[in-house]
Amino acid sequence: GAVVSQHPSRVICKSGTSVKIECRSLDFQATTMFWYRQFPKQSLMLMATSNEGSKATYEQGVEKDKFLINHASLTLSTLTVTSAHPEDSSFYICSARDLWGGTEAFFGQGTRLTVV
Amino acid sequence: DAKTTQPNSMESNEEEPVHLPCNHSTISGTDYIHWYRQLPSQGPEYVIHGLTSNVNNRMASLAIAEDRKSSTLILHRATLRDAAVYYCILCWTGANSKLTFGKGITLSVRP
Repeated sequence: GAVVSQHPSRVICKSGTSVKIECRSLDFQATTMFWYRQFPKQSLMLMATSNEGSKATYEQGVEKDKFLINHASLTLSTLTVTSAHPEDSSFYICSARDLWGGTEAFFGQGTRLTVV
Repeated sequence: DAKTTQPNSMESNEEEPVHLPCNHSTISGTDYIHWYRQLPSQGPEYVIHGLTSNVNNRMASLAIAEDRKSSTLILHRATLRDAAVYYCILCWTGANSKLTFGKGITLSVRP
């Protein structure tokens, strides 16, 4: 079946540094990818919609200058957490649907970010 | 987005059927009913979806009420690996349609 690969699966960084998370669709193309954040014991919260070749659309309350999204190809979207702070520590998950396929959304395995 | 309501949690016994309910009284005509589940420390995975008719796949069955205001996800024989948070979500079909997650229902399976 279709696979979405997210890298890295875990990252620890120092406060003030930036972290890049990659999301790849391995066997399908996606013009749109989605980025979610999940805090412990909470549900997934949609952060932004990543659009291939154009600007991302951010949900209300999500700082676009802090969470930089680039979707340069039909198989790759990246999320960069800039100037990370401990409160950015969370589980980040990406999702995509096959451009030519059905309704099913595929999710990455998630990235556990810890900012110290 | 149309809202769904699910119980917070449910317990079942291994090898017995499980019925997970979902209410969606404000569903629109173009909304599909989707179910995803999330195992601990993993991204969600697709379970099943439907529009009006009941649906079956290798993982589960989806029973949709005639008025579409509620639905039930049926796991025919629960296993320990089915312990997860199950999310009932409404959205239209399309590669760029958003999935908005509620709190979901936490299923525990007793051996």
